Amino acid sequence: NAGVTQTPKFRVLKTGQSMTLLCAQDMNHEYMYWYRQDPGMGLRLIHYSVGEGTTAKGEVPDGYNVSRLKKQNFLLGLESAAPSQTSVYFCASRLHVGATNEKLFFGSGTQLSVL
Amino acid sequence: AQSVTQPDIHITVSEGASLELRCNYSYGATPYLFWYVQSPGQGLQLLLKYFSGDTLVQGIKGFEAEFKRSQSSFNLRKPSVHWSDAAEYFCAVGITSGGSYIPTFGRGTSLIVHP
Repeated sequence: NAGVTQTPKFRVLKTGQSMTLLCAQDMNHEYMYWYRQDPGMGLRLIHYSVGEGTTAKGEVPDGYNVSRLKKQNFLLGLESAAPSQTSVYFCASRLHVGATNEKLFFGSGTQLSVL
Repeated sequence: AQSVTQPDIHITVSEGASLELRCNYSYGATPYLFWYVQSPGQGLQLLLKYFSGDTLVQGIKGFEAEFKRSQSSFNLRKPSVHWSDAAEYFCAVGITSGGSYIPTFGRGTSLIVHP
């Protein structure tokens, strides 16, 4: 049971390049989230998904797109990377079975630098 | 909109001293409340959570937190800090908005432990 796996772990892009970050979970969770973490800003929600085939915008969605074609995968895309997107990206998943089991499962993060 | 405030960016304590990290939230009802810890280069790990009932909750690694409705606070405490507790600590709330569950994080408090 791997939990939540993010790939790649590190990436350097040039301004204007595109890339896709992959988040995979093997726990059959319905909810999945993409956050970005910046110094002094905590974790800010980019996009989220409440199930296969659904996505929604979070607090800071501009410049990002997402897809959830399969329940276990949640992809985050940068179509034209900008230096402001230099950040650490975390994916998380959540099993919706009631309050007592409520928690988020996090991946180990992707460190992205845009030059 | 809901918000989470962690007023202390950095906290420095000596090993063996007691610790209290502050967290205040803004929301119309009592949300789910969480504390997560992040060690350097790692993802986030759940320390403890509150949904209802006893307002003093126990977590892992000897941490506890107290929910105070009148103050909209959920402060994290530990009676004796160990050097290994040095990390970033995040308070989070989970609310349901538009039928979707949205976890929102504070900006984090960095704990420094002096020997």
